Amino acid sequence: GAGVSQSPSNKVTEKGKDVELRCDPISGHTALYWYRQSLGQGLEFLIYFQGNSAPDKSGLPSDRFSAERTGGSVSTLTIQRTQQEDSAVYLCASSSQGGSPLHFGNGTRLTVT
Amino acid sequence: RKEVEQDPGPFNVPEGATVAFNCTYSNSASQSFFWYRQDCRKEPKLLMSVYSSGNEDGRFTAQLNRASQYISLLIRDSKLSDSATYLCVVSVGGNNDMRFGAGTRLTVKP
Repeated sequence: GAGVSQSPSNKVTEKGKDVELRCDPISGHTALYWYRQSLGQGLEFLIYFQGNSAPDKSGLPSDRFSAERTGGSVSTLTIQRTQQEDSAVYLCASSSQGGSPLHFGNGTRLTVT
Repeated sequence: RKEVEQDPGPFNVPEGATVAFNCTYSNSASQSFFWYRQDCRKEPKLLMSVYSSGNEDGRFTAQLNRASQYISLLIRDSKLSDSATYLCVVSVGGNNDMRFGAGTRLTVKP
């Protein structure tokens, strides 16, 4: 079956522009995670959605970052007024439930010029 | 204290060597533990889950020590293809948020 799908795979944007990153999780997976990975670094937690519970937004680095998950399926991560330090690979993962193994998408490589 | 901490790398070992990585976690209520492998410029992929009694998958052995709050990964008879970054993952919080360690880079040399 289809895995986690992320789009776009690459995004180049100018500093100050807004960007939207999309994640389509595996069908039926109730848990969805966003992580950020800078070059040579580990995965930085951003936000976690689990079913109908309030999302854990504790990892969002600033109020320029927001995410939503509509209908318990597709999620969009929005970065407003992008800065150069936002350049990274943004990884989305889903799991059948909280605590189960995560399945990752291929990521979106964001470059802010 | 970070929620999940890993051995700093890099580890450079010859083919055939045995290598072990440790990962400590701060939340004593953590319930789920995994090891992931990440190749350069690729997404992380599940290597193995870590069970309370310890578990083995071929050349790989994972163990959990709840008393000392760490998990370990042992790789026996290292192959060149084992070269990658190994990430530990631990659930935190009542909702099973998953947090990653920073990763340990392994290079297996001929």
